[in-house]
Amino acid sequence: SQQGEEDPQALSIQEGENATMNCSYKTSINNLQWYRQNSGRGLVHLILIRSNEREKHSGRLRVTLDTSKKSSSLLITASRAADTASYFCATDKRGGSEKLVFGKGTKLTVNP
Amino acid sequence: DGGITQSPKYLFRKEGQNVTLSCEQNLNHDAMYWYRQDPGQGLRLIYYSQIVNDFQKGDIAEGYSVSREKKESFPLTVTSAQKNPTAFYLCASTRRTNEKLFFGSGTQLSVL
Repeated sequence: SQQGEEDPQALSIQEGENATMNCSYKTSINNLQWYRQNSGRGLVHLILIRSNEREKHSGRLRVTLDTSKKSSSLLITASRAADTASYFCATDKRGGSEKLVFGKGTKLTVNP
Repeated sequence: DGGITQSPKYLFRKEGQNVTLSCEQNLNHDAMYWYRQDPGQGLRLIYYSQIVNDFQKGDIAEGYSVSREKKESFPLTVTSAQKNPTAFYLCASTRRTNEKLFFGSGTQLSVL
């Protein structure tokens, strides 16, 4: 079963706007990661946030983690057409096996 | 350049045929993974290996086989027992289990 589920499934915005994607998960985790995938390509790691962290920034990306709600959000500020991609969250289970579980992703379209 | 290389980019399988997808990394990573991605879906884990000469089944291992004879290489064989092999296959590696994954560019497998 999916550990992480992204919301919304698809998001379409105009260039310059902010994009927010959410990820919910079911069990306690050690860390949560966000990845980006351009169509037909491999995934690229964006940010890893640990269970004892609440917020992390990387350039135009801001990730928050709320372990009490078992949820995370990825904010992309001042979006660009080049940000068009699918975004996935991945989680590991605390005390669980040696593997990450990926959600189904949010497909972001940034219109010029 | 360090990285992870998958080949071929496109592969076609005939009925009853076994095919092997290549995955090579020069990142000196111990852990390697194979994921399957169906259209509009997230990644599902097929097999993973944390060390040479050892590997474990993931969530959808039936119809697939792997080997890990060298640290750099983790080939995936899609056997004739896999009745629905058409998908995008992604290989990944990591320095430490459940930390940042580095992905290859993927292999699109189709059935003739």
